[in-house]
Amino acid sequence: QQQVKQSPQSLIVQKGGISIINCAYENTAFDYFPWYQQFPGKGPALLIAIRPDVSEKKEGRFTISFNKSAKQFSLHIMDSQPGDSATYFCAASNNNDMRFGAGTRLTVKP
Amino acid sequence: DSGVTQTPKHLITATGQRVTLRCSPRSGDLSVYWYQQSLDQGLQFLIQYYNGEERAKGNILERFSAQQFPDLHSELNLSSLELGDSALYFCASSVGSGTGGGDGYTFGSGTRLTVV
Repeated sequence: QQQVKQSPQSLIVQKGGISIINCAYENTAFDYFPWYQQFPGKGPALLIAIRPDVSEKKEGRFTISFNKSAKQFSLHIMDSQPGDSATYFCAASNNNDMRFGAGTRLTVKP
Repeated sequence: DSGVTQTPKHLITATGQRVTLRCSPRSGDLSVYWYQQSLDQGLQFLIQYYNGEERAKGNILERFSAQQFPDLHSELNLSSLELGDSALYFCASSVGSGTGGGDGYTFGSGTRLTVV
């Protein structure tokens, strides 16, 4: 059963714009929320992650916003660049389980 | 380079055949996870091994099996292959025994399997 719902399925953004990808989870036992970036023909790579004791984490142009009460979290990519074009997967995990969202294909147009 | 090595990168085989995919985890990692990613599909968890022992099982078909060897490398065996088995197969590794991977997984670059 899908325990992490990710939207949108695809996203087209102009260069310099903000890309926003949303995820919602069901299991309140999850305590680690990573985002993975996957380029065509490559494996997913850990991009940024957050734990539920904070509401936001920023690394460069990438920010995770986390809403524990709503069981939702999102990835914001500021000043999106063509090189950010990739598939992004959110995930939710605890020690015994890891669930991935279905992925969002991001295209940043120059 | 993530440190997780998968071979071969590409594999083309006929229906009904058997293939073996190989994965060497990142140095120091004891857990190996296998995932399947079909065209435009998400990541489907197949199986996890920790230090040579099966730890968790996901949506793995009975035609598929895996093992982890004493040197910690792992092999995924796919038999009686069908057209629908065509996919990217990823191996990931982590330090701990948890299926959740602790602070996340490190993925390899995958093996692209094409069944014709």
